[in-house]
Amino acid sequence: DVKVTQSSRYLVKRTGEKVFLECVQDMDHENMFWYRQDPGLGLRLIYFSYDVKMKEKGDIPEGYSVSREKKERFSLILESASTNQTSMYLCASSTRGMTLGSNQPQHFGDGTRLSIL
Amino acid sequence: SQQGEEDPQALSIQEGENATMNCSYKTSINNLQWYRQNSGRGLVHLILIRSNEREKHSGRLRVTLDTSKKSSSLLITASRAADTASYFCATDPPGSYQLTFGKGTKLSVIP
Repeated sequence: DVKVTQSSRYLVKRTGEKVFLECVQDMDHENMFWYRQDPGLGLRLIYFSYDVKMKEKGDIPEGYSVSREKKERFSLILESASTNQTSMYLCASSTRGMTLGSNQPQHFGDGTRLSIL
Repeated sequence: SQQGEEDPQALSIQEGENATMNCSYKTSINNLQWYRQNSGRGLVHLILIRSNEREKHSGRLRVTLDTSKKSSSLLITASRAADTASYFCATDPPGSYQLTFGKGTKLSVIP
C-alpha cells in the first residue's frame, strides 16, 4: 500500500515564525502536492511538483514556498507565518499519467492541523 | 479554482438505505474521481471514471458520468455506519497536472 507520511498531526506556531511541513511518500511517485483545507472552502492547491527540483504554483501560493530535493520528500514552507494560515494541510502523491492531464489517483497523508497564534 | 460542485452539501440517511451524491463541473475533463474523507483524516481514493465511460462499479459503489450535462453521481448501496464521511469529486481538465476538488458532501449514516 502507498504510504504518505506527514511529519506532524498537530502543530502550534507563533506569528512571524518560519514553519516547515514535511511529507514523505514511499511509492516512487513522480507527482507530489500540497493542499490546504478550510471549512466551506474545500481543498485548495498551494503548490505541486512533477519531478525532483520542479515546482508549480497552484491556486493559492502566496505566503508559501516548497522544496523537493529528493523524489520521496516534498516540503512546504511558511516563510513568515500569519494567523490566516491556520488550517489543515494535506500532502498527496500520485504516479504520472500517460499524457498531461491524465491524472492518476492521488494518495493522501493524514494531514497536519496547523495553528498560528 | 473550484470546478466540481457536490450536491447536496449534507445528507443524512438510515443504515441500509442507498445514498446518492451528485457532482457538476464546468469544463471538459479527462476523467473524474471520487474520494472519501473520514473526520480528521486524509482523503482516500474511491473510484476513477474516464470521460469515455458512462458507468463504473466498485463493490457497493456505482458512479455514472454524463459529459453532455457535465455531471456525475456516486451511489452507495446498502449504506453502513462506517460510510459516514465527506465525499468529494475531483476533475482534471486536459493539459493540466492538477485535480480540482469540489467542497464535498457530508454523509451521515444513522445506525
